[in-house]
Amino acid sequence: DTGVSQNPRHKITKRGQNVTFRCDPISEHNRLYWYRQTLGQGPEFLTYFQNEAQLEKSRLLSDRFSAERPKGSFSTLEIQRTEQGDSAMYLCASSSGTFYEQFFGPGTRLTVL
Amino acid sequence: AQSVAQPEDQVNVAEGNPLTVKCTYSVSGNPYLFWYVQYPNRGLQFLLKYITGDNLVKGSYGFEAEFNKSQTSFHLKKPSALVSDSALYFCAVRDVGYGGSQGNLIFGKGTKLSVKP
Repeated sequence: DTGVSQNPRHKITKRGQNVTFRCDPISEHNRLYWYRQTLGQGPEFLTYFQNEAQLEKSRLLSDRFSAERPKGSFSTLEIQRTEQGDSAMYLCASSSGTFYEQFFGPGTRLTVL
Repeated sequence: AQSVAQPEDQVNVAEGNPLTVKCTYSVSGNPYLFWYVQYPNRGLQFLLKYITGDNLVKGSYGFEAEFNKSQTSFHLKKPSALVSDSALYFCAVRDVGYGGSQGNLIFGKGTKLSVKP
């Protein structure tokens, strides 16, 4: 399967703990996006990479959130000092250009207790 | 600011009947519009897009969408619904953003399509 993969698929953590998610995009795609989706809502943009450069961050991305994409390949999203409000589905997508469709991974569902 | 509205939370259709899922948009400049489908516990799957050209766009699984600039709409349609089409459907518009190059999507809240046998 050469689609976008995300790990883990599910994460349950206690409030205050740090969590890290990984996204492996489609190999030839230079653009990578992170979104967050809560129940009953559409995905909301968090951040965007072109190759290894993080070019845009949403105001939703508080200081507790950090994302990296070393060497322009896989990406990680870390949430420090998790809060219950961070509980959501975190989606990763990749594309080969601005006007091309984004391909989404299956998501990581985070539950903060 | 760009935005997308899906006015119906749920659409119910009998199998074999035509279906329409509505979407309206607000953008500055040219709209770049997308439809995605989400099945339970799965990521979003791309259905179709409008960038330019013919107002009727054909996509995956027999779906099509009609771009209407005067009504700022991009409704998703299918001539004959299947039970397996039951899912959550999202309309999205590309965010122009500062500099116009980031390409992230702004999604509607989604419409749940239920197709009954």
